[in-house]
Amino acid sequence: DTEVTQTPKHLVMGMTNKKSLKCEQHMGHRAMYWYKQKAKKPPELMFVYSYEKLSINESVPSRFSPECPNSSLLNLHLHALQPEDSALYLCASSQERLAGVQGIQYFGAGTRLSVL
Amino acid sequence: DQQVKQNSPSLSVQEGRISILNCDYTNSMFDYFLWYKKYPAEGPTFLISISSIKDKNEDGRFTVFLNKSAKHLSLHIVPSQPGDSAVYFCAASSAGGTSYGKLTFGQGTILTVHP
Repeated sequence: DTEVTQTPKHLVMGMTNKKSLKCEQHMGHRAMYWYKQKAKKPPELMFVYSYEKLSINESVPSRFSPECPNSSLLNLHLHALQPEDSALYLCASSQERLAGVQGIQYFGAGTRLSVL
Repeated sequence: DQQVKQNSPSLSVQEGRISILNCDYTNSMFDYFLWYKKYPAEGPTFLISISSIKDKNEDGRFTVFLNKSAKHLSLHIVPSQPGDSAVYFCAASSAGGTSYGKLTFGQGTILTVHP
């Protein structure tokens, strides 16, 4: 089982709204990731959590705030987003934060976000 | 600076024939390589991977070849099926440095398999 579940599947929000994206995995993976993907582009890494601690922040604007409440859950809190933030937001997990078999990342289906 | 490149934006193949997708990289620190397949409105699905200590890895219809000296890898799909039509991303990661385990993706190649 390599399932990563993301909710909601679609989200429309205004620039003054606050919303959260959720990601869940029950594979016992200790590394979790947030990516942003624009149309016809590859996924861009935003954040990496390893053992519930933030390991990598790819200089993401503070209007995106990640949170890892426990080893199975990853949230992305959104506030005061811009229309250019509209994209597919992908969550992934891997056994460990490593290069190699244990570092293979498994992706969720994503949340399609539209900012009006 | 694009460290992983997929120079063919698209590839069209007849059902039953071989599909060959190519990927080049520039960072010699990369030591693990992966291929993902992506359908529209879905997340990428892991297909197959290879370590830099190997030159070939096979899984069913999918084979990945790595030429480390040329910094080139390829994905062979034999025989190709219409259900293989998707975007294919090459990705690379390194075991060292502060960004260890981070995936760097290529731009993707759209594969279309015609019946």
